[in-house]
This record gives sequence, structure tokens and C-alpha cells, in this order.
Amino acid sequence: DVQMTQSLSYLAASPGESVSISCKASKSISNYLAWYQQKPGEAYKLLIYSGSTLQSGTPSRFSGSGSGTDFTLTIRSLEPEDFGLYYCQQYYEKPLTFGSGTKLEIK
Amino acid sequence: EVQLVESGGGLVQPGRSLKLSCLASGFTFSNYGMNWIRQAPGKGLEWVASISSSSSYIYYADTVKGRFTISRDNAKNTLYLQMTSLRSEDTALYYCARRMMVDYWGQGVMVTVSS
Repeated sequence: DVQMTQSLSYLAASPGESVSISCKASKSISNYLAWYQQKPGEAYKLLIYSGSTLQSGTPSRFSGSGSGTDFTLTIRSLEPEDFGLYYCQQYYEKPLTFGSGTKLEIK
Repeated sequence: EVQLVESGGGLVQPGRSLKLSCLASGFTFSNYGMNWIRQAPGKGLEWVASISSSSSYIYYADTVKGRFTISRDNAKNTLYLQMTSLRSEDTALYYCARRMMVDYWGQGVMVTVSS
């Protein structure tokens, strides 16, 4: 199985700052990587797929990069509504696997 | 508007069975592969099973293989998960999810396995 590692479990930043969340796959997954956001009481939201393609409706301050084994989600100029949990997921092969999540807290 | 609404969860004793349903609306259900994904309390996301649009391809996580059965009824726009021989470690919030890179998630339905 492909293990997905999000090394940062918690991150705090102030509005206007930029943050990056990393995700590492245990083997090459090409660009079959998605990023999700979860807020309390809300359904999970797909932000980015194919490593760097913004899902319709995702604000342009979000960006994704990487391929192979190393990926990064960057949020530029943080907004207060960006707090929440962020997960990466590989869909290169089954079983589909997810990172353990990064909790982003807005200072 | 795409909607996925799960139902059928609840409290069940170990060894018993339960069947989850997911009613889809707002899109052509028969065109999309679907998944069940779960999240145990305080834990991360775990993929459970996938089914292709026409039910031709079905996959399971090793943790549920032989106990759970995913199925769908395209005429009823409904995805199912039949769960048997339930264990305490199956306690989780179960999500219905569209596509392998999940573009839509349900709100989830809670399954608690406990005596």
C-alpha cells in the first residue's frame, strides 16, 4: 500500500500569511494526488486534484505542486475561513490512502 | 446541486450486520464510480470499498474483505454497503464519496459496534 505522510499535524498562522503543507508518498504516484479541506459540521471539500489542478470553486490563493513522491499545498494570503483540517490522498492505486491530516489554526 | 445522503447507521452488537445506503441526486449517478470511506473517532480517513459505474469493478480494503459488500442500484440512484460480522474496530463515520479523487462527499453516517 502507498503510505501518505503529512509530517505537520498542526500549524498556526495569521491572516495574510502564507503557509505550506507537505505530503509525501511512500512510492511514486505520478500526479494522482488530491487535497481536501474539512471544517467542523461541513462535508469534506475537494480543493485540488492531479497534484496542482484547482477544483471548480477553490479560491486562487490555494495552489498545489509536486509530482512523484513529494507534494505541497500552499495557501497564500490566508483568510480566516481557511482554518480547518487538510488531508492529502493518493488515487494512483488501490487501496486509496490518505495522509493523517494537518490542522490549520488561524491565529 | 450534487447531494449524497447516507442512511442506515446506528448501534449494533459485535458479530451482527448492518446495511448502509447513500441516495445520490443532482447528477447522473450511473456515470460515476463510487466509494465508501470511513473515519473512526479521532482517527484519519480509511478507504473501505469502491464500485465502478456499471458495477463491473469492485474493490475492498483488506480490513473489510469478505465481510462487507458494496453494491449499487443505478435505477434508484443508490449506493449500498452491506456490513456483516461487524467488529468494534468498524466503529466509524461512514462517508459515501463520488470518484476516486473524491469530488463530492456525503455528510456521513455513524456506525457504532458495541455490546
